[in-house]
Amino acid sequence: GIQVEQSPPDLILQEGANSTLRCNFSDSVNNLQWFHQNPWGQLINLFYIPSGTKQNGRLSATTVATERYSLLYISSSQTTDSGVYFCAVPAQGGSEKLVFGKGTKLTVNP
Amino acid sequence: DGGITQSPKYLFRKEGQNVTLSCEQNLNHDAMYWYRQDPGQGLRLIYYSQIVNDFQKGDIAEGYSVSREKKESFPLTVTSAQKNPTAFYLCASSIEGTDTQYFGPGTRLTVL
Repeated sequence: GIQVEQSPPDLILQEGANSTLRCNFSDSVNNLQWFHQNPWGQLINLFYIPSGTKQNGRLSATTVATERYSLLYISSSQTTDSGVYFCAVPAQGGSEKLVFGKGTKLTVNP
Repeated sequence: DGGITQSPKYLFRKEGQNVTLSCEQNLNHDAMYWYRQDPGQGLRLIYYSQIVNDFQKGDIAEGYSVSREKKESFPLTVTSAQKNPTAFYLCASSIEGTDTQYFGPGTRLTVL
């Protein structure tokens, strides 16, 4: 099945710094999602981004489907950005089942 | 307010006992999912259901069972056959034909 790898596994920042999280996937996909899991466990959809670039406030994401990777940019990080960021892709073409990476744990210190 | 609710938030169980985790959604979504999350790991799919009275095994279904008698509800039973049930369990739902999933707040199960 499709494999999803995220890097780095852990990231520690000072408030105000910028960061880039990466998601590589092993096969062609028609969709990719980024999620944020807060320290209490709640997962929130950030982006649904099969290709191209999207922006939402201080966060933006870019997916280059032909090269099988996606990047999540966080600018001017805040302590509330702390948590784990996951990317997920469909298990196979058109599938509603998702395959998740192991996540990047982000800690933003004041 | 529309959303997904899971209960209880924390659950403790003795070895050898079955326990049922609740998941309810009022989003009118057709598909529902159960995931397991272990520390430092991603989410792994246990079971999913795309329609009432039908469900399929995910990647780690052994030791778990589900039912889907109503569109709004998708309870998960962790049976005594599950060898290592201590984990964080997340329920999700999505609209038929899409793969954008929305998650509940989770249930943290601890086996004593």
